[in-house]
Amino acid sequence: QVQLQESGPGLVWPSETLSLICSVSGDSISSYYWSWIRQPAGKGLEWIGRVYTTGRTNYNPSLKSRVSMSVDTSKSHFSLKLKSVTAADTAVYYCARDRRDGYNVYSDYWGQGTLVTVSS
Amino acid sequence: QSVLTQPPSASGTPGQRVTISCSGSNSNIGSNTVNWYQQLPGTAPKLLIYTNNQRPSGVPDRFSGSKSGTSASLAISGLQSEDEADYFCATWVDSLNYVVFGGGTKLTVL
Repeated sequence: QVQLQESGPGLVWPSETLSLICSVSGDSISSYYWSWIRQPAGKGLEWIGRVYTTGRTNYNPSLKSRVSMSVDTSKSHFSLKLKSVTAADTAVYYCARDRRDGYNVYSDYWGQGTLVTVSS
Repeated sequence: QSVLTQPPSASGTPGQRVTISCSGSNSNIGSNTVNWYQQLPGTAPKLLIYTNNQRPSGVPDRFSGSKSGTSASLAISGLQSEDEADYFCATWVDSLNYVVFGGGTKLTVL
């Protein structure tokens, strides 16, 4: 059974960098793509970006200037860094496994989510 | 304000059929497939429908998806109380190369 687990600080200071790791178990990290999605309290889902095991990335244009993602196949985890955070970045952050079906890519497994609060 | 428009709420009584719409444009739904996610209260989203109308293993056939032009729909037949959740559509946006989610629809089972 595939499992994804987010980890990282639950509290980040404004203007600092938010860093999260998603640990993958139950399947090979090399066989899929990997995404980060966030959800502010009481609001909808916002796609942050995707990292491929080649290192290639796609980012949400609204966050592109502040986001970086990477994957470490040797440790079976992938990471998210979001710099210069503000209170607007406070949200539950989810990691997800993406798989391809023809031209379509969808997220078939999700982590439980981790709340990150930006506050001093 | 998402580029994909969903009604903020929908409702039905047990046993009824409800549909949730997702409206986009030529650069997103019009040229790509649509996925649907269900988020039960207090839990992570779960894949419900992929590639417009495909159900992952374990998803009841009460759930079905369709797409026509720049819009997509999720239909739930034989509505049950456990279907009360938020539903999100999602698709790829061409040229800018990213995934966009609809604003979500909160389904209430009366």
